[in-house]
Amino acid sequence: AQTVTQSQPEMSVQEAETVTLSCTYDTSESDYYLFWYKQPPSRQMILVIRQEAYKQQNATENRFSVNFQKAAKSFSLKISDSQLGDAAMYFCAYRSTGTASKLTFGTGTRLQVTL
Amino acid sequence: EAGVVQSPRYKIIEKKQPVAFWCNPISGHNTLYWYLQNLGQGPELLIRYENEEAVDDSQLPKDRFSAERLKGVDSTLKIQPAELGDSAVYLCASSLDGRRWDNEQFFGPGTRLTVL
Repeated sequence: AQTVTQSQPEMSVQEAETVTLSCTYDTSESDYYLFWYKQPPSRQMILVIRQEAYKQQNATENRFSVNFQKAAKSFSLKISDSQLGDAAMYFCAYRSTGTASKLTFGTGTRLQVTL
Repeated sequence: EAGVVQSPRYKIIEKKQPVAFWCNPISGHNTLYWYLQNLGQGPELLIRYENEEAVDDSQLPKDRFSAERLKGVDSTLKIQPAELGDSAVYLCASSLDGRRWDNEQFFGPGTRLTVL
């Protein structure tokens, strides 16, 4: 079974600075999909960014980008120009190929943004 | 456009009592998911529906949990009887077609259950 590990329970960043959240995963598959989700306090979880494992190019969505290292099974999230609204729990998730596959989430990293 | 709606938002019950959670997915979304999120953990899938068919319920504790999506639209998740360890947040999510990896899952706000 696939596992997703987020080794940083909490991170803190100053407003306008850059922060990187770590994620590693374990799989024997060669093709799969990776995601970062954001869960603000008492609000819905939303998708931040996604990456297809067969694509070497790292995904980017505005201030959010990933560093995907397939051989190392690492999928980190970089948030540039951090804003107060970025404060949330961030979950890394894995999905294998196949129509019946499901999302496997990590334990999350709580990001604090300070002035 | 309304998002995924869940009710109630909070529920406090005593152990051994029954409880039910309701979810209305985004209009037109064929796939509906129920997740369990324990404190300090990521969500774990309980059951997934494609229209009215439960296509993955392998993680649903069937001795006390049940779910239904009779008309392929809204869904109810029930626990009977509730145990102390069931205290958690129950999330509902929906997507247009869950068989496609690139179909985004949209999550509801969750129901926070406390069992005393």
